[in-house]
Amino acid sequence: DTEVTQTPKHLVMGMTNKKSLKCEQHMGHRAMYWYKQKAKKPPELMFVYSYEKLSINESVPSRFSPECPNSSLLNLHLHALQPEDSALYLCASSQVGSGTDTQYFGPGTRLTVL
Amino acid sequence: KQEVTQIPAALSVPEGENLVLNCSFTDSAIYNLQWFRQDPGKGLTSLLLIQSSQREQTSGRLNASLDKSSGRSTLYIAASQPGDSATYLCAVNTGFQKLVFGTGTRLLVSP
Repeated sequence: DTEVTQTPKHLVMGMTNKKSLKCEQHMGHRAMYWYKQKAKKPPELMFVYSYEKLSINESVPSRFSPECPNSSLLNLHLHALQPEDSALYLCASSQVGSGTDTQYFGPGTRLTVL
Repeated sequence: KQEVTQIPAALSVPEGENLVLNCSFTDSAIYNLQWFRQDPGKGLTSLLLIQSSQREQTSGRLNASLDKSSGRSTLYIAASQPGDSATYLCAVNTGFQKLVFGTGTRLLVSP
């Protein structure tokens, strides 16, 4: 099973709302990722977790707050977002340092900020 | 800073044609290179991964090559089908689990 699941599929929120995106994998991967993809652009890395610890933060604004409560789950907490944050948010997972670290992606959450 | 470019940006071919997608990167110090496909509004599907020590990988009708010294990779698709229509992305792993994606090639295969 090479499946990464993401919920919700679609999310519409106002600039004052607080919401969370959820990602789950059961492949035993110990690295998990959040990417942001704007329309007709390639994905851009936001955060990397290795062994449930944040290892990379690509200078993402603090209104995005990641959380990795266990090795299978990854959350992205959203607060006070701006309309320009509207995008497809992709989660991915992989092995850590195995030399064959294919990243497996979920279907994404389409976020619209009004 | 690693930059990844894909040419062409868009490609339209009739069904049955063989085609080549190109990917170039500016820094040859890569860990591996991965090819993905993305259908509109969907996530990414991994197609092939080539380690930095490898020259080629094959999966079905797909063949990917890597020339690390010249900073180039190609994805060859044999006997294209309408179901191959998608955006194809290459991504280089620069180490520390960081992927840098290319600009993508939008492929349309007409019946």
